Amino acid sequence: GQNIDQPTEMTATEGAIVQINCTYQTSGFNGLFWYQQHAGEAPTFLSYNVLDGLEEKGRFSSFLSRSKGYSYLLLKELQMKDSASYLCAALDSNYQLIWGAGTKLIIKP
Amino acid sequence: DADVTQTPRNRITKTGKRIMLECSQTKGHDRMYWYRQDPGLGLRLIYYSFDVKDINKGEISDGYSVSRQAQAKFSLSLESAIPNQTALYFCATSDYSDTGELFFGEGSRLTVL
Repeated sequence: GQNIDQPTEMTATEGAIVQINCTYQTSGFNGLFWYQQHAGEAPTFLSYNVLDGLEEKGRFSSFLSRSKGYSYLLLKELQMKDSASYLCAALDSNYQLIWGAGTKLIIKP
Repeated sequence: DADVTQTPRNRITKTGKRIMLECSQTKGHDRMYWYRQDPGLGLRLIYYSFDVKDINKGEISDGYSVSRQAQAKFSLSLESAIPNQTALYFCATSDYSDTGELFFGEGSRLTVL
């Protein structure tokens, strides 16, 4: 079966760095997305990776290892507004998105 | 104004009632989707449409139907609502690319008593 695993909840301190991991098992693979979702709001796109390696976009970076079925989202210089859920989603061979349950990130002062 | 608009934003209804959730978009995208989100579960695809004449079932289409009235409009219907359809529903759009990002509406919270 197809599956996405990510931690349910993480806590970090304002100004620090946090890494949110995601492992995936899909029938084929056509890329991996990260979305941010604040409580009660719609998900918004953060990143898309299809090749191995690190993609940096400001304070946020996303890494992919296709051979390991693994990705992570790295958030630097954490701000209180980064408190949100982070959703990992993989595109399978039929270009269908398989979603993880999300990681709730709590930022403490 | 939001690019992807859902109505209603909140709805409480009773078991057996017919409910329609509406979605309209100004992004000019051909592809539209309906998802539901439940606590502790990932987003699950209900139906999707790649153009006005194209309707496809997602992984959890039972108990739901859709209508693509125009490129910009995609509605979701629950013909006879049941309590386990209580959830947060999202409409989303994307461009023609299979790897394109999704643009979500603000969500419709449905409670079935």
